[in-house]
Order: sequence, then C-alpha cells, then structure tokens
Amino acid sequence: AQSVAQPEDQVNVAEGNPLTVKCTYSVSGNPYLFWYVQYPNRGLQFLLKYITGDNLVKGSYGFEAEFNKSQTSFHLKKPSALVSDSALYFCAVRDRDSGNTPLVFGKGTRLSVIA
Amino acid sequence: KAGVTQTPRYLIKTRGQQVTLSCSPISGHRSVSWYQQTPGQGLQFLFEYFSETQRNKGNFPGRFSGRQFSNSRSEMNVSTLELGDSALYLCASSLAASGRGSKNIQYFGAGTRLSVL
Repeated sequence: AQSVAQPEDQVNVAEGNPLTVKCTYSVSGNPYLFWYVQYPNRGLQFLLKYITGDNLVKGSYGFEAEFNKSQTSFHLKKPSALVSDSALYFCAVRDRDSGNTPLVFGKGTRLSVIA
Repeated sequence: KAGVTQTPRYLIKTRGQQVTLSCSPISGHRSVSWYQQTPGQGLQFLFEYFSETQRNKGNFPGRFSGRQFSNSRSEMNVSTLELGDSALYLCASSLAASGRGSKNIQYFGAGTRLSVL
C-alpha cells in the first residue's frame, strides 16, 4: 500500500528566509509525486510533480522540490518565502507500477510566513 | 477554459437526511475523483469515475455513492447523514483515469462544504 507522511503539522518562517516543507513516501514500486497548495476556502492547486529524470523539479510561484530515492523523500523548498505563501501544503504519491491506484495525500502542513 | 465547478458551495443538512453534490470537470477531462477533507483525517479518497464507470473506491460506507454522466459530469450522494459527515467535499478532474503509470495532474474544484446538524 502507498502512503505519504508530512511530519510537521505547522512550519513557521520569516519573510525572505528559505522554507522547507517535508514529505516522505512509501510505495511498492516507483513513485509519481505531487505537491498541492490550498488557500482558505479554495480547492487544491497544483504546484509541481516528479515523474522521472531530473531529481530537482521546478514548479509554480518559485517553488521547487527534490526527489531523493534513497531517503524516499520529496521535500518542497523555496529560496525566499513571501507572506502570500502562507497556506496549507499537501504532498501526494501514486505508485507508478501498480494498476488503478488513486492518488494518496499526506495530512498537510500549514505554512505561516511572518512579515 | 473553465475550471472544475462544484455546486453548491455550502450546504446545511440535518442528521438522517440525504444530500447530492455536483461536479462539472474541465472540458475534455473524462476522469472525476471525489475526496473528503476534514481537519482530523485530512484528504481521504472516496471514488473515481471514468467514462461513466467507477474505477476505484475508497474505504467509505455504502451510504456514500456516486455516478458519472455521459458528459463527464459527476454527482455524489450521501444518504442517512451523520454528524461525522460534516466536511469539505472536493472533486478533481483529469484527462485520463488513474491507471498504471498514470502521471495525470488532478485539477480540483473549490469544494462543497457540508455541515450536518
């Protein structure tokens, strides 16, 4: 069975500082990995995805994520945080090698960027 | 291109009632998935429909059901509502189904917030 862990419920960072939101995953095969962001009273918005190839993935709004197979991690990063980045972030995984499996989400990490 | 549209945005029901939520996917998308989001459980997968067929189902009781129409619009129904069904229900659409090797991005609607009193 596939699963995702986001070990931090809340991450606080000062505006202008780098931010990291952690994600680890478990799949029996190879993963497709996704990051989504949710603003208040909104649905989830796609940020970036890892399929194959380059381990560093660049996405929307200056976010990037690094796939690390040995550590089964896919941490979300941004070099300089903005107050407008404050939101709920979800990591998701799908097993690339299993048939007909849904996307599995982590429980989410709330990011607060303080001015 | 219009995004995923969910109606209604807000609903208030009482225990024992039933409710129907609607989702219109992005034009051309044939797969619709439904999720329940609660503060305690996070995002939990309900079911996925592709070409009017249910392809996958999460671990929810039979009170939760859904269907998809020929125009890819989908509805989900919850019968005999319980207090614990209060949640944000999210619909997501994608081009193709979640089959082997599917790398499709899912695009989400704004959700329907259901409150059961």
